Amino acid sequence: EDKVVQSPLSLVVHEGDTVTLNCSYEVTNFRSLLWYKQEKKAPTFLFMLTSSGIEKKSGRLSSILDKKELFSILNITATQTGDSAIYLCAVESEGGAQKLVFGQGTRLTINP
Amino acid sequence: NAGVTQTPKFRILKIGQSMTLQCTQDMNHNYMYWYRQDPGMGLKLIYYSVGAGITDKGEVPNGYNVSRSTTEDFPLRLELAAPSQTSVYFCASSYGGVRGRAKNIQYFGAGTRLSVL
Repeated sequence: EDKVVQSPLSLVVHEGDTVTLNCSYEVTNFRSLLWYKQEKKAPTFLFMLTSSGIEKKSGRLSSILDKKELFSILNITATQTGDSAIYLCAVESEGGAQKLVFGQGTRLTINP
Repeated sequence: NAGVTQTPKFRILKIGQSMTLQCTQDMNHNYMYWYRQDPGMGLKLIYYSVGAGITDKGEVPNGYNVSRSTTEDFPLRLELAAPSQTSVYFCASSYGGVRGRAKNIQYFGAGTRLSVL
């Protein structure tokens, strides 16, 4: 059975700190790994990492994929209160329909 | 840009009642999905569809039914609601084509918060 595990489940830091969120996975025939940010409502897409793109960066956010060790990290530097959210990691495996298996999420709280 | 639209936003049901959660997308996406999210948990796939007339079960389909008569709409039906179905329900869609992996990102609706009492 495909499995995605995120850690920590909850994290509280001060504005300006740097945080690292972890995602490990066990899936058959990995295709891609996605990070989403969920504030009050719908998850919004951050990054997609595949075999051909194992590092992504957008502003203060960056992510890497280690296909050998089966994990990914999401880094946020110079955190702001607007970064407070649940961060979800999801993995797509072979099997069609681009189905995703999600981790439990990491609830990140940035205090001013 | 409407994207994925879900209705209603909130609903309270009594045990044994039935209801339909509506989902429509205007992005001409082939693939559509229904997830549920319980407190402190990630999203779990209930049902999905790869095109009009084609649906299949996900990880947690029991107690639910779906249909896909058009590309745009993918309603989720709850029959005989139970307290275990109290959750937040998300609908999502993706391109589902062969024009590169980057186009196959799932886009989510704002969710329906359902309580069964």
